[in-house]
Amino acid sequence: AQKVTQAQTEISVVEKEDVTLDCVYETRDTTYYLFWYKQPPSGELVFLIRRNSFDEQNEISGRYSWNFQKSTSSFNFTITASQVVDSAVYFCALGTGNTGNQFYFGTGTSLTVIP
Amino acid sequence: ETGVTQTPRHLVMGMTNKKSLKCEQHLGHNAMYWYKQSAKKPLELMFVYSLEERVENNSVPSRFSPECPNSSHLFLHLHTLQPEDSALYLCASSQGQAMNYGYTFGSGTRLTVV
Repeated sequence: AQKVTQAQTEISVVEKEDVTLDCVYETRDTTYYLFWYKQPPSGELVFLIRRNSFDEQNEISGRYSWNFQKSTSSFNFTITASQVVDSAVYFCALGTGNTGNQFYFGTGTSLTVIP
Repeated sequence: ETGVTQTPRHLVMGMTNKKSLKCEQHLGHNAMYWYKQSAKKPLELMFVYSLEERVENNSVPSRFSPECPNSSHLFLHLHTLQPEDSALYLCASSQGQAMNYGYTFGSGTRLTVV
């Protein structure tokens, strides 16, 4: 069975603080893909990153970084020096070769950055 | 302005009404999707169209009826809905299998059934 767990429902941080959003996934497939999406108040989910199961290198993009650890089935997302514009709901998602076009999404983490 | 446009943005309808949601993409993608987003729940995949043919229907009630007349347009026809159908309905598209490049989402239609 495929499953994504985002245990943090809501997080509030003060501007310029660092924040980490947790994502734990379950799958028996050896080939799979992990994604993070951002959903601002406007509604559309914005793609942030895609990672395949064979690439465990961590990635940094500006203030965003991702830590992929297969040993703990986690794909955590860190925002450094948070800004008010980072306030949004963030979703982690899992896709596998056996699920075709279907992703399994977590329930999302609502991040509020307080000025 | 995203590459996937959904109309209307907001819709309030009675349980006996018939309405349609529209989705349009100008990205040249060949697959389109309807997702339902309810509060505190994971996004639920409703329908998948690939090359204009429906390939997946995740046991969605028949009061939801999709239509994909061409690769750029997707509709969701609604009739005799229930209050629990109130949610954000998101359209997405992808080029080939979604896991290769991910989805591109629209801004959604916020549906309220009264």
